[in-house]
Amino acid sequence: ILNVEQSPQSLHVQEGDSTNFTCSFPSSNFYALHWYRWETAKSPEALFVMTLNGDEKKKGRISATLNTKEGYSYLYIKGSQPEDSATYLCAPYNFNKFYFGSGTKLNVKP
Amino acid sequence: EAQVTQNPRYLITVTGKKLTVTCSQNMNHEYMSWYRQDPGLGLRQIYYSMNVEVTDKGDVPEGYKVSRKEKRNFPLILESPSPNQTSLYFCASRVRGSNEKLFFGSGTQLSVL
Repeated sequence: ILNVEQSPQSLHVQEGDSTNFTCSFPSSNFYALHWYRWETAKSPEALFVMTLNGDEKKKGRISATLNTKEGYSYLYIKGSQPEDSATYLCAPYNFNKFYFGSGTKLNVKP
Repeated sequence: EAQVTQNPRYLITVTGKKLTVTCSQNMNHEYMSWYRQDPGLGLRQIYYSMNVEVTDKGDVPEGYKVSRKEKRNFPLILESPSPNQTSLYFCASRVRGSNEKLFFGSGTQLSVL
């Protein structure tokens, strides 16, 4: 079992603020790092899948970076909007298994 | 429409009464898996399947069974449910490969009394 930590557990920001949160995981035996966005009463949806050290992915106002040597990934949201309110999950993938963190719950106030 | 279909969405049952949660995907995905979500914990993998007739345990397989007789279906079976299996369950599938994303079903909220 991989120990995956996400911080902070929750975050409250104002509309327009930029924010970021962290996913930490053991750096050995690593294949890929997934980020998912999970809105209340819906299913998780994929944001990014990253595999290479130094990888950086971007989708609109959301971007992510990956450091496999030190075992962390950052997710950034630029100019947060109320529709960004959700729980953001990271999941390292290793030996056919996914190990999800408990998530960062983001609340963006209008 | 490409999707993962789980049924039922909600289920209330009693201890010891066998139940099955169905999962079906129409994307010809090789990989399918089951997760449970409990408050304060991340999604925990119960079982996964790399292809037809190939299944393996995740991190929390006790009390669960699965089968993969057809590529599209991956049912989760609770032979004798107990209250500690009350949880939100998700089925997910994807194309085989470490950099392929998961597609999730809509979830099943199970309560075992």
